[in-house]
Amino acid sequence: QQQVKQSPQSLIVQKGGISIINCAYENTAFDYFPWYQQFPGKGPALLIAIRPDVSEKKEGRFTISFNKSAKQFSLHIMDSQPGDSATYFCAASKAGGYNKLIFGAGTRLAVHP
Amino acid sequence: KAGVTQTPRYLIKTRGQQVTLSCSPISGHRSVSWYQQTPGQGLQFLFEYFSETQRNKGNFPGRFSGRQFSNSRSEMNVSTLELGDSALYLCASSLAGQGGQPQHFGDGTRLSIL
Repeated sequence: QQQVKQSPQSLIVQKGGISIINCAYENTAFDYFPWYQQFPGKGPALLIAIRPDVSEKKEGRFTISFNKSAKQFSLHIMDSQPGDSATYFCAASKAGGYNKLIFGAGTRLAVHP
Repeated sequence: KAGVTQTPRYLIKTRGQQVTLSCSPISGHRSVSWYQQTPGQGLQFLFEYFSETQRNKGNFPGRFSGRQFSNSRSEMNVSTLELGDSALYLCASSLAGQGGQPQHFGDGTRLSIL
């Protein structure tokens, strides 16, 4: 059962543009939603995370938007740079429970100069 | 502060063998989780250990097992290896055993089964 659906599978953006990756979840018990960035040959690195009590969280060029009623959340990368080219994963887990992350399938982002 | 360290980085085994992978968490982190990453199935949760106890287990056969030591270091073992076990095995650590805590990943062990 795929509990976190991520789209698009791949994304090409021009340098300076905005990259948008979307995720939808099914389990209403989820209440912690992190985003990870993974470069080839490396493990996923935590970028930013949000809890359902806020609708938006911003850290530098990265912003998470959260829509609790629609059970959707998205990652926005402003002023995308070639160095942002990587695979991005959304994930979800139950706060107060165990540390089990359910991951989306990933989005391969390519930022062209 | 050193990050999560996984050893070895690469491993080649043949079918039927067994393998042990090691993970040293960030200093002070007591929770260690293991994930399998493959192109077809993506990132899948294997199990989590906290205070030397397995707290949660994913949907994997009993050939996959693990343990955690008193210093929070963890090992995972896969017995009777199958071709489908070829994957990147990732370890993540976090401060506490509760969900909703930031988890930090190592760079993984790339396991190839011939």
